[in-house]
Order: sequence, then structure tokens, then C-alpha cells
Amino acid sequence: AQSVTQLGSHVSVSEGALVLLRCNYSSSVPPYLFWYVQYPNQGLQLLLKYTTGATLVKGINGFEAEFKKSETSFHLTKPSAHMSDAAEYFCAVNFGNEKLTFGTGTRLTIIP
Amino acid sequence: NAGVTQTPKFQVLKTGQSMTLQCAQDMNHEYMSWYRQDPGMGLRLIHYSVGAGITDQGEVPNGYNVSRSTTEDFPLRLLSAAPSQTSVYFCASSYLSTLGLALTGELFFGEGSRLTVL
Repeated sequence: AQSVTQLGSHVSVSEGALVLLRCNYSSSVPPYLFWYVQYPNQGLQLLLKYTTGATLVKGINGFEAEFKKSETSFHLTKPSAHMSDAAEYFCAVNFGNEKLTFGTGTRLTIIP
Repeated sequence: NAGVTQTPKFQVLKTGQSMTLQCAQDMNHEYMSWYRQDPGMGLRLIHYSVGAGITDQGEVPNGYNVSRSTTEDFPLRLLSAAPSQTSVYFCASSYLSTLGLALTGELFFGEGSRLTVL
């Protein structure tokens, strides 16, 4: 079955520390991969996406993610966390059809 | 541009009442969809549409109806509200890839509609 899993519903990091949010998927076909961010009381907005080409993808606000086919992963990273990064982050996967499947989300807290 | 506009932003219903959540987009997107967001469950697809006159079910369609009479509008109808439908609802739209209707583009989201069913 095709699915997407985000490990860790809550992640806390200190300001200036590395941010690592994990996303794994299960699929027999190459997927299209996305990370979205949701700030309080707002809709979601796209951080970055992988469809084809270079497996290291850079997004907005200093975030990047690497598609690792052998590990079926698309983890989101940022070298140095900022207070404004506090939000909920969703990994999403399209398995080549008209549906986007979202993970359950990871709430990121930044410790001053 | 307004992008994706949802109304109302807040609504309280009693069990058994009906209502319609409105969604409109001004980006000429072929694809429109409705999601519900519940704590710990992420976003789950209710219904979607790949063009006017075409709709299909998502992961959790029961209790909801949709129609797509124009490219711009995609209303979501609750025929007989139940407490289990208490949630935050998001409408989203996008372009479709020319390579077999895959959803490879960015989904543009509305700000959400918070529905409480008593």
C-alpha cells in the first residue's frame, strides 16, 4: 500500500541548532514529494518539492530536503533554526495520480 | 490576486443541520480539492475535481457532497451534520501536470473553515 509517515509528532530544537524533520514513504512507483508548512490559524504553503532531477532540493526560508530512493525518505533540514520557524510541517506525496497524501504532521518548537 | 477564498471562516451547526462551505479560486486552476484537518491525523482528502463537471472521492468522502459547475467554484455540502464532522476544512487548488494528470504542482490553500457540530 502507498503511504507516507512522519516520525515524531513534536520536535523541539534550540535557536541556532540543526532542524531535522523526518519523512518516509511506501510506494512501488517513483513518487513526487513535497513539504508544506502551516503557521497558526493559516492554510498550508509550499516549502519545497521534488519531482525529477537533482535529489537535493532547496526551498524557501533556508530549508532543504534530499530524496533518497534507497531509503524511501525525504527528510527536511535547516542548518540553523530561527524563532520564526516554529510551525507545523507536513510531508506530502503524490503517487502519480490526482491525489496528494499528507503525513500526520510534525510540530516544530524553537527554544530560545 | 485573491488566490483561494473560503467562506465562512467559522460555523457552528447542530446535529442534523445542513450547510455548504464555499470555495472559489481566481487562478484558472483545473484541479480543486477539499481536505479536513484533525489533530494527529494530518490532512485527509474528502473530494476532488480535475475540471468543471468532473468530481471524484478522496479518502473520507462519506457525509459530504461536491459539485463543480464552473472552473472557479467548488462548494462542499454537508447534508446532515454529525459531531464527527467537527474539523477544520481546507480548500486547495492547483494545475495538473500535462503528463497523465499527476499532481506535481503546488497546492494553493485557502485559510480554512472551522466547523463545530454540536
